[in-house]
Amino acid sequence: GAGVSQSPSNKVTEKGKDVELRCDPISGHTALYWYRQSLGQGLEFLIYFQGNSAPDKSGLPSDRFSAERTGGSVSTLTIQRTQQEDSAVYLCASSLGARTSGIGLFFGPGTRLTVL
Amino acid sequence: RKEVEQDPGPFNVPEGATVAFNCTYSNSASQSFFWYRQDCRKEPKLLMSVYSSGNEDGRFTAQLNRASQYISLLIRDSKLSDSATYLCVVNSGFSGGYNKLIFGAGTRLAVHP
Repeated sequence: GAGVSQSPSNKVTEKGKDVELRCDPISGHTALYWYRQSLGQGLEFLIYFQGNSAPDKSGLPSDRFSAERTGGSVSTLTIQRTQQEDSAVYLCASSLGARTSGIGLFFGPGTRLTVL
Repeated sequence: RKEVEQDPGPFNVPEGATVAFNCTYSNSASQSFFWYRQDCRKEPKLLMSVYSSGNEDGRFTAQLNRASQYISLLIRDSKLSDSATYLCVVNSGFSGGYNKLIFGAGTRLAVHP
């Protein structure tokens, strides 16, 4: 698997439940990003990881959102007490390093979250 | 004002037509510029970087005007397979230790027979 992978591909949940979204970046990519895209909207930045630390989490919409990255690889985005406005496609992307995001990001296929 | 602005379209053009999209950005410190392509219900993929002197990749030409802070993408001899949403992407500077990329909302292109 050479690309970024995400799971699940689709998630339907009830309002108030917690969800976990997973991202496996390209092997060797130290920089990892989470974005979300609501229907018909552009990409909204959520959080950036360099290695296991998150120097920029300024895009997380509320304290219901959190993310972690372990082993400099897999990342999990957790949304607690989901709300209907959380419904969106959550996209993960990676790049070789902090500076090389300047030559483009590689995106995973996304997780489509629907909160009923 | 959004950091990156694009005309949402849609641009409906016949096969073989030439079509151009513009994008404006607000951060004069931006140094890196890109066009990404996003097919319906798919992830964005890098189409091309945009260089100061302008650059071409086959039927695609990208231009940068730093003075006016806009970027353009020209597609010649449009194909049906060019139908997609084209995202303008700009870095907001190397602050916070990384190149933060800001995405426009995209311009939709529909090429018809």
